[in-house]
Amino acid sequence: DAGITQSPRHKVTETGTPVTLRCHQTENHRYMYWYRQDPGHGLRLIHYSYGVKDTDKGEVSDGYSVSRSKTEDFLLTLESATSSQTSVYFCAISEPDRGRGYTFGSGTRLTVV
Amino acid sequence: AQSVTQPDIHITVSEGASLELRCNYSYGATPYLFWYVQSPGQGLQLLLKYFSGDTLVQGIKGFEAEFKRSQSSFNLRKPSVHWSDAAEYFCAVGAQGNKLVFGAGTILRVKS
Repeated sequence: DAGITQSPRHKVTETGTPVTLRCHQTENHRYMYWYRQDPGHGLRLIHYSYGVKDTDKGEVSDGYSVSRSKTEDFLLTLESATSSQTSVYFCAISEPDRGRGYTFGSGTRLTVV
Repeated sequence: AQSVTQPDIHITVSEGASLELRCNYSYGATPYLFWYVQSPGQGLQLLLKYFSGDTLVQGIKGFEAEFKRSQSSFNLRKPSVHWSDAAEYFCAVGAQGNKLVFGAGTILRVKS
């Protein structure tokens, strides 16, 4: 979707290094989310944000941190990458209305070696 | 806690045959329900959603889904599958805090 972009699209990193993934939106949506997708698990919520500087943990937040200093940007940081964090990471945006659903980015494929 | 179960990990159907993908949810209040589709290497695209009104909802690409409160189900259907429908399909329920809880997904294969 043109209103939400993720960078980088692919990344290979070494165990123990820090990694930051970026999600940028042009829709001025209030809510932003980071999910990880793994086979057999669907999408699991890592962290989400309900406004600038307002963030909260999801179900698989250990080893991850986030920051949102501007409405349009939501950063996901792996402080010290581990092989278990090899995954596809998706960012999503929404408005505060449960009926709207989300708009997803194209994903970032992260490989930790 | 909210949860979504998609009982079928893989489904294979012949092109032109009908399709039904199953979804069961657990949620204490009136659910907001969604179906998303993901083509290989792509993000997720919203197929359809239900949050009130008619329990049979129509979506894009000829898909429909029926909400059955008594069975806690929201099954996705299509009367005639096309080869381009091969993808992974995710059911999701809208939870508190504007969060979506996803099922594990069903991979659809279409044979010619």
